[in-house]
Amino acid sequence: QKEVEQDPGPLSVPEGAIVSLNCTYSNSAFQYFMWYRQYSRKGPELLMYTYSSGNKEDGRFTAQVDKSSKYISLFIRDSQPSDSATYLCAMSSNAGNNRKLIWGLGTSLAVNP
Amino acid sequence: DARVTQTPRHKVTEMGQEVTMRCQPILGHNTVFWYRQTMMQGLELLAYFRNRAPLDDSGMPKDRFSAEMPDATLATLKIQPSEPRDSAVYFCASGLAQETQYFGPGTRLLVL
Repeated sequence: QKEVEQDPGPLSVPEGAIVSLNCTYSNSAFQYFMWYRQYSRKGPELLMYTYSSGNKEDGRFTAQVDKSSKYISLFIRDSQPSDSATYLCAMSSNAGNNRKLIWGLGTSLAVNP
Repeated sequence: DARVTQTPRHKVTEMGQEVTMRCQPILGHNTVFWYRQTMMQGLELLAYFRNRAPLDDSGMPKDRFSAEMPDATLATLKIQPSEPRDSAVYFCASGLAQETQYFGPGTRLLVL
């Protein structure tokens, strides 16, 4: 079993829909939780960064962390065709300077006009 | 607009040949990462450096891969000899912390 599980999709939604993307993890030591967005043939870019539990909102995007369930989510409101991309979750523990990010495989999202 | 640059963007080579990929991190970033991305394995960390010193290369096949940072503006990843299973997209990323990494556009490598 991988440390971080992410449904690869693809997920296809109509424009304007609310999108929910999720990752589960097994390591209870994880404290830092990130969502990266990767457009086709581009490098990933950091979208959201959350430390420990709770919610974080940035425009149409909300990141949610539930440490008791070892589950993180990214919600996209009023989805746009420009949101079509692969979304990767990543996380790390608070174990000193040499901690490494553990990545999900990514969920492919298509928002149809 | 500061960006990580990578060269070459595409490389097609034959099995057994040496491949060298280069990365220029964002000025001021002290941590540089090398990743490999495939459909099956996703993003795999090959190696990373902090202040030019290698901190972890446990993800790299040591017999054929090597990574160096000859100076603060250049990181290199070499494969010698290359094999078809090395075909993938190789990303360089830089940052000031593990969690906030800025990725380059990648080098698409095809080994025939």
